[in-house]
Amino acid sequence: DAGVIQSPRHEVTEMGQEVTLRCKPISGHDYLFWYRQTMMRGLELLIYFNNNVPIDDSGMPEDRFSAKMPNASFSTLKIQPSEPRDSAVYFCASSLTGRGYTFGSGTRLTVV
Amino acid sequence: AQTVTQSQPEMSVQEAETVTLSCTYDTSESNYYLFWYKQPPSRQMILVIRQEAYKQQNATENRFSVNFQKAAKSFSLKISDSQLGDTAMYFCAFMKLGGGSEKLVFGKGTKLTVNP
Repeated sequence: DAGVIQSPRHEVTEMGQEVTLRCKPISGHDYLFWYRQTMMRGLELLIYFNNNVPIDDSGMPEDRFSAKMPNASFSTLKIQPSEPRDSAVYFCASSLTGRGYTFGSGTRLTVV
Repeated sequence: AQTVTQSQPEMSVQEAETVTLSCTYDTSESNYYLFWYKQPPSRQMILVIRQEAYKQQNATENRFSVNFQKAAKSFSLKISDSQLGDTAMYFCAFMKLGGGSEKLVFGKGTKLTVNP
């Protein structure tokens, strides 16, 4: 298995631009998570899905953030418009119930 | 809400020695899992070890073992025969069982440096 695949690995964008982060979970996993990691706040859960359905989006910072999971093998996290304070590493992870997460390698987002 | 506390922001150890990283958590739940994740400079998050709360026996994975004290809500990680490749951030994490929730709550992490 190739693991959880995230793209791009690095993204540099200008303030105000739309950013889309992509994730392919491990086949057969029924949960998908989006986390954000910063030095100040550590690892924060943004949103998670169970069987492609959003379960908890209480961690999404504001309306500029949206996430979708149109099928079991793909999810996106979109920021529109982006701001410098959105600069962080964004992780996608997937899991099978009760087994712990497998993380992707993350996307380092820099908004200038 | 559950919280996870790692009281040691940074630690260092000499190669081949043993080091213990501390973690405490706060919960009213009785059924849960605890995890340790490792994040080396490559930033990949790697599962080190997992402990089910209903198991009294401490989990072990090769050089990594835990000391799980349920009553004290303590979950420390012991690394034996430390290697240079163990240099990383280590995160303790909590997951409540049941209710359809699979959320992992992370501590702030401990930066471990293994010195040659």
